[in-house]
Amino acid sequence: GESVGLHLPTLSVQEGDNSIINCAYSNSASDYFIWYKQESGKGPQFIIDIRSNMDKRQGQRVTVLLNKTVKHLSLQIAATQPGDSAVYFCALKPGYGGSQGNLIFGKGTKLSVKP
Amino acid sequence: DTGVSQNPRHKITKRGQNVTFRCDPISEHNRLYWYRQTLGQGPEFLTYFQNEAQLEKSRLLSDRFSAERPKGSFSTLEIQRTEQGDSAMYLCASSLMAAHKNIQYFGAGTRLSVL
Repeated sequence: GESVGLHLPTLSVQEGDNSIINCAYSNSASDYFIWYKQESGKGPQFIIDIRSNMDKRQGQRVTVLLNKTVKHLSLQIAATQPGDSAVYFCALKPGYGGSQGNLIFGKGTKLSVKP
Repeated sequence: DTGVSQNPRHKITKRGQNVTFRCDPISEHNRLYWYRQTLGQGPEFLTYFQNEAQLEKSRLLSDRFSAERPKGSFSTLEIQRTEQGDSAMYLCASSLMAAHKNIQYFGAGTRLSVL
């Protein structure tokens, strides 16, 4: 079945620095990817998404990069702030042959921002 | 607040008891999802509805679990004869069905503790 893995379970950065969180997936048929942010005691919050026909998408202070060749996804956060401290999950829609409804989540990377 | 609403936020029960959780999705969303999340893990898909039809159920959804969405609006998730292994955060999400995209918006979850 499909699997999603984060490269690092924890990441610590200095306030103002850029953060990069990486994610790998196994199924080349996956056609849609999402990053979520989850703060303690809250549900996952949508950050940004990208379709498989794109390599890069930018939002406010965030950029998602998709490398389909090596099946790798990354989230870049510019000028990281203390409010960015949370657990970040990558998730994907399995694509052809898989479920058309659910998302498959990775285990998450805990981002800690030092003031 | 027009986000996804879940009740109760916390539920403590004794093993063997039945529990029921409620989810009110974003009003115009036709899809509703249930996920389970344990400590240190990403959400795991349980089931989803499109309007009132339950379209998919995960293998995680044992016979003790049942979900309904009778009028295509709110949904309930019932767990019968709870076991300690059912202790987890139960998350509800909703989305608008759209080709190639599936931005799911999550509620804050119901945390279940089975003693």
